[in-house]
Amino acid sequence: AQSVSQHNHHVILSEAASLELGCNYSYGGTVNLFWYVQYPGQHLQLLLKYFSGDPLVKGIKGFEAEFIKSKFSFNLRKPSVQWSDTAEYFCAVSLGTGGFKTIFGAGTRLFVKA
Amino acid sequence: DTGVSQDPRHKITKRGQNVTFRCDPISEHNRLYWYRQTLGQGPEFLTYFQNEAQLEKSRLLSDRFSAERPKGSFSTLEIQRTEQGDSAMYLCASSSPGRVGTEAFFGQGTRLTVV
Repeated sequence: AQSVSQHNHHVILSEAASLELGCNYSYGGTVNLFWYVQYPGQHLQLLLKYFSGDPLVKGIKGFEAEFIKSKFSFNLRKPSVQWSDTAEYFCAVSLGTGGFKTIFGAGTRLFVKA
Repeated sequence: DTGVSQDPRHKITKRGQNVTFRCDPISEHNRLYWYRQTLGQGPEFLTYFQNEAQLEKSRLLSDRFSAERPKGSFSTLEIQRTEQGDSAMYLCASSSPGRVGTEAFFGQGTRLTVV
């Protein structure tokens, strides 16, 4: 069965620190990759997505992610975090052909200290 | 508000009662999804509609769960004979027609507590 694994459940950083959240998936075929964010008290929102093309994807609020097909990875990065980045981050995968369901990782809670 | 709307936002029910949740997707979206999220976990896929057709159901969706989308617009998720293990956040999402993998837009969710 397809699955998504996020390496860190909780991350605490100080403002201006760099961020990298790991994500690996298990599926050998074509995939579409997403990072969603959930700010406290708000609904899930899309940060960025990868369908095809340049494996380095840039999203909103200075976030980027790199798709490395050989490693089945789609890690999220931000060079300098802000207090307002405190949120829960979910990596997600949908299969490139056939069904449309999206499979989510367990999430990483990021807390940024001011 | 043109986002995905879910009602109610919170529901507390006694074990054994039936509950029904409603989801209104973004108006031009033909795809609608239901997910369940428990504490410390990511959303788990439950079922998916394209227009009024229910195209996929997770094995998580036991026979106590039923979802409908009768006119291809809003959807309902009913849980019969609720159990304490049904306590969770139930999320609805919708996406537009188009290429496979178009991102889903989520509602605020319905938090169910079974006591």
